[in-house]
Amino acid sequence: SQTIHQWPATLVQPVGSPLSLECTVEGTSNPNLYWYRQAAGRGLQLLFYSVGIGQISSEVPQNLSASRPQDRQFILSSKKLLLSDSGFYLCAWSAGTSLYNEQFFGPGTRLTVL
Amino acid sequence: DQQVKQNSPSLSVQEGRISILNCDYTNSMFDYFLWYKKYPAEGPTFLISISSIKDKNEDGRFTVFLNKSAKHLSLHIVPSQPGDSAVYFCAAQGAQKLVFGQGTRLTINP
Repeated sequence: SQTIHQWPATLVQPVGSPLSLECTVEGTSNPNLYWYRQAAGRGLQLLFYSVGIGQISSEVPQNLSASRPQDRQFILSSKKLLLSDSGFYLCAWSAGTSLYNEQFFGPGTRLTVL
Repeated sequence: DQQVKQNSPSLSVQEGRISILNCDYTNSMFDYFLWYKKYPAEGPTFLISISSIKDKNEDGRFTVFLNKSAKHLSLHIVPSQPGDSAVYFCAAQGAQKLVFGQGTRLTINP
């Protein structure tokens, strides 16, 4: 069966510090991978998605970047965090060959920028 | 531009009664719709989906209805149980991406 891992579960970082959040998927090959953010009291905002190694699409202009160095690894980064980067970050995957795109989410990372 | 809207941020229902969560969308190109359930500090879990060629899909206590002409879908939960208390997100698929609504917090009262 497929599983998706995210770490860390929680993170408190000072403004201006770098960020690296990691997501890995097991039990599937060539998945589509996604990074979402859920800000307090708001819905799920798609930040990045990737259909293959090295292929990253950005949905919104922002202070963050994403990379996919391996087939089942997706990394969310920032060089300098802003207060507005605080939120709940979710990684998700979907089967790359599926017509209908059911996405499966990881447990999330709670990021607090102080 | 909010393409998927859940206009009710919260809903309170008595245990055993029916819960109806609503969702509206604007993009007629969406071809697949999903509902997710989310508990605090956890990732959303997939609940039920419906293709745009159907108007109803049922799975146990959960039924999703799609009205394409009105660009409206709804999730019915009957009977509602305390464990159904969570935030529910509707989502619409277009071009390998999902667009999510803002979510509705459902509270089931005993």
